[in-house]
Amino acid sequence: DIQMTQSPSTLSASVGDRVTITCRASQSISSWLAWYQQKPGKAPKLLIYKASSLESGVPSRFSGSGSGTEFTLTISSLQPDDFATYYCQQYNSYSRGFTFGPGTKVDIK
Amino acid sequence: EVQLVQSGAEVKKPGESLRISCKGSGYSFTSYWISWVRQMPGKGLEWMGRIDPSDSYTNYSPSFQGHVTISADKSISTAYLQWSSLKASDTAMYYCARHRQGPDAFDIWGQGTMVTVSS
Repeated sequence: DIQMTQSPSTLSASVGDRVTITCRASQSISSWLAWYQQKPGKAPKLLIYKASSLESGVPSRFSGSGSGTEFTLTISSLQPDDFATYYCQQYNSYSRGFTFGPGTKVDIK
Repeated sequence: EVQLVQSGAEVKKPGESLRISCKGSGYSFTSYWISWVRQMPGKGLEWMGRIDPSDSYTNYSPSFQGHVTISADKSISTAYLQWSSLKASDTAMYYCARHRQGPDAFDIWGQGTMVTVSS
């Protein structure tokens, strides 16, 4: 199975900060990686797919990069609405599943 | 509007059976896979399995294989997640989610169904 890790697990930041979250896969997944945002009591929301493609309607301050085994999600200028938990997900081999990372909580500094 | 609407919260006893549902609307239900995702209280997201509603082909995470069954009725644009014998450890929020196209990211999510299993 492909394992996903994220760092950090928690991140304290202020409005306006540039924030970067890292996701690593246990083996190469090419660019088959997605990022989701989840707020308490709500369903996850797709932000980025195929490592760097911005989902329709998602603000441009969100961006993704990487390929192979290392990926990043960057929020260029953190806004009050961005305090949430972020998950990466691989979908390189659907027969092996669509594994999520453990999540990164972004909270207020 | 493209949406997935899930059935309501459930409270069950250990050993009971349960089926929860996820109804798609606003799009061609048979054109997109549906996955189910578990989120235990205070924990992360776990992919359980997926179905292709066009032919009901399924595949499951090894962690859930044999413990749950995913099915779909394309005539009513509805996917299901069912248990034959619930355990207390099945207490969780369950989400259905639509794949963008085939083996792709999940672009549309249901609102979630909370399942509580307690004696």
